[in-house]
Amino acid sequence: DAKTTQPNSMESNEEEPVHLPCNHSTISGTDYIHWYRQLPSQGPEYVIHGLTSNVNNRMASLAIAEDRKSSTLILHRATLRDAAVYYCILTGTGNQFYFGTGTSLTVIP
Amino acid sequence: GAGVSQTPSNKVTEKGKYVELRCDPISGHTALYWYRQSLGQGPEFLIYFQGTGAADDSGLPNDRFFAVRPEGSVSTLKIQRTERGDSAVYLCASSSSGGPNTEAFFGQGTRLTVV
Repeated sequence: DAKTTQPNSMESNEEEPVHLPCNHSTISGTDYIHWYRQLPSQGPEYVIHGLTSNVNNRMASLAIAEDRKSSTLILHRATLRDAAVYYCILTGTGNQFYFGTGTSLTVIP
Repeated sequence: GAGVSQTPSNKVTEKGKYVELRCDPISGHTALYWYRQSLGQGPEFLIYFQGTGAADDSGLPNDRFFAVRPEGSVSTLKIQRTERGDSAVYLCASSSSGGPNTEAFFGQGTRLTVV
C-alpha cells in the first residue's frame, strides 16, 4: 500500500489559514487521497477526499498536485476546535484505510 | 442513533481472560472496519468486512483475535487469553459501500485495559 509522509506537528494562530502538507510519491493512478482528523479522546472524523481535482467542502479544501505526488489540506480560518491530529491516507483497491502518525496541529489563541 | 456505536466504552479485564467488543454500524452500511490504536500512534488496521464476510483480515495480530459479523450489521471483535499488550483503544468504522471513493464513519472506540 502506498505510503504518506506528513510533518509530525504544526502550529497556527487562530483565525489564520493553515496548510497541512502530505507527500505520497508512490501513489497509484487509482488511489484516492483522504484526510481524517482525530480530536482528543474521539474517533477519527472524515474531513475531505479527492482523486485528481482540487476539492472544497464546508470543512476544508484539498489541493492536489498535478503529478498527484503531494497534496495539501487547507483550513481557511483555524479555530481552537481545529486542534487535532490530521491524517493523510491513500485508499486503493484494498479499500482499507492505513493511517500513519499524522500531523498534530496546535492552534494558538 | 445516527452514528457508529461501540460498547462498552471502557473495559478492564484480567490477563488471560476473554473479551468481546461490540460495534453497531450505521444502518445500511455494508462495509465495516476494526482498528486498534495505542497511545501516541495512528489507528492500526485489523479487519475489514464487506457484508457478512471478512474481505481482509490481514491486520489481525495473531489467532487470539477473531471478529464476526453474522448478519451483515453488528460486529463483534473477540480476544482470547488477553495479554497486557492488547491494551489499546479499539475503533470501529463503517461506510456505505467500502469503495475507495467513500468516507468512513468512526465510533468513539472501546478502551481496553488488561491488568
